[in-house]
Amino acid sequence: DGGITQSPKYLFRKEGQNVTLSCEQNLNHDAMYWYRQDPGQGLRLIYYSQIVNDFQKGDIAEGYSVSREKKESFPLTVTSAQKNPTAFYLCASRNRETYEQYFGPGTRLTVT
Amino acid sequence: AQSVAQPEDQVNVAEGNPLTVKCTYSVSGNPYLFWYVQYPNRGLQFLLKYITGDNLVKGSYGFEAEFNKSQTSFHLKKPSALVSDSALYFCAVRAPRTTDSWGKLQFGAGTQVVVTP
Repeated sequence: DGGITQSPKYLFRKEGQNVTLSCEQNLNHDAMYWYRQDPGQGLRLIYYSQIVNDFQKGDIAEGYSVSREKKESFPLTVTSAQKNPTAFYLCASRNRETYEQYFGPGTRLTVT
Repeated sequence: AQSVAQPEDQVNVAEGNPLTVKCTYSVSGNPYLFWYVQYPNRGLQFLLKYITGDNLVKGSYGFEAEFNKSQTSFHLKKPSALVSDSALYFCAVRAPRTTDSWGKLQFGAGTQVVVTP
């Protein structure tokens, strides 16, 4: 899982609560990404950031928010507005020279 | 917009036999193509990529893939499968930098590979 850490590995929340997922990288990569993974649907892009203090909505940004105050950190908040938040969430960063994305180990969020 | 299709939800192969996982793509311009592997409850691991050059790309763990521009395909292959190759495999495509500087990847739905002893 390279130099990307995500915490916690498992997260349980009650419906209606906001929750923040942590993503930290020590690879000195500028670009970072958040994906959501559901069975049989592959990975879908939630938000991405190319530089500190700048980020863009991906394909399924509704109900999510992010911040990028430091190059190393890209936390994702799952808000109560997200209709189906239970999923596996993956954070990634990209090597600008090789174009490869490096993934963290993921956080499995369960909302009941 | 780019897209990726992995037509098989699951591929079953006996250990020692050749393994092929299919991927076709759609993108404007010359594609950047990637294969990743995922083990249960883990993040994705990079296997190989095609950016430019030789159409046959060799990657980690004995895997290779062939870029076929006319068929818009990038099938993953391994000559002799191992039980430990059992995992979920994802193909991904990004548009060239001239059209997408953000480096966004479009992933296929994934193919579960099951290798039996």
